[in-house]
Amino acid sequence: SAVISQKPSRDICQRGTSLTIQCQVDSQVTMMFWYRQQPGQSLTLIATANQGSEATYESGFVIDKFPISRPNLTFSTLTVSNMSPEDSSIYLCSVGPSGIGELFFGEGSRLTVL
Amino acid sequence: RKEVEQDPGPFNVPEGATVAFNCTYSNSASQSFFWYRQDCRKEPKLLMSVYSSGNEDGRFTAQLNRASQYISLLIRDSKLSDSATYLCVVTKNSGGSNYKLTFGKGTLLTVNP
Repeated sequence: SAVISQKPSRDICQRGTSLTIQCQVDSQVTMMFWYRQQPGQSLTLIATANQGSEATYESGFVIDKFPISRPNLTFSTLTVSNMSPEDSSIYLCSVGPSGIGELFFGEGSRLTVL
Repeated sequence: RKEVEQDPGPFNVPEGATVAFNCTYSNSASQSFFWYRQDCRKEPKLLMSVYSSGNEDGRFTAQLNRASQYISLLIRDSKLSDSATYLCVVTKNSGGSNYKLTFGKGTLLTVNP
């Protein structure tokens, strides 16, 4: 298993600002995943963060909007840039240390953009 | 057609009832299948894996039908603590040893006393 600490747990932000979400894992993992869960919607993968290389973004998500850092094997950040109300969502960090299918999630960061 | 589709719910059942959730997936190349549980305002957590031979864990039974691209979850003798959203998850290889998980929208279950 893995224990993931994510912060902030929630924030209310003004349109046009940026917010950086931090994710700390209690063990070293190769890949970390960032998901978004909008109200009433399924979890959608934003990007996969690999240590030592550029993050891999899914269709519909770009680095300029969601820059990601992965400075070491236990930590990652996701920035939501130039926010608009449409970015209001829960952002979740996850890892899958034990193989395919079993992901462990942080508690999520609930973002509200006014 | 969406990659993963689930019963929209919500399901409201009394304690002790048996309830079944269905899920279909569109990509026949999908390789692994799972049910996750998400409590209100909490993160998703793995409930169980789904195999073609079926998988039973206490009151929970998961089934996979590859020919029909269909997954099910059966909960017997429902408890109040089973109230949650149940997410169907499908994985496929995304290159090398990497896999991509696709989540359904989830089905909300409320078990009533």
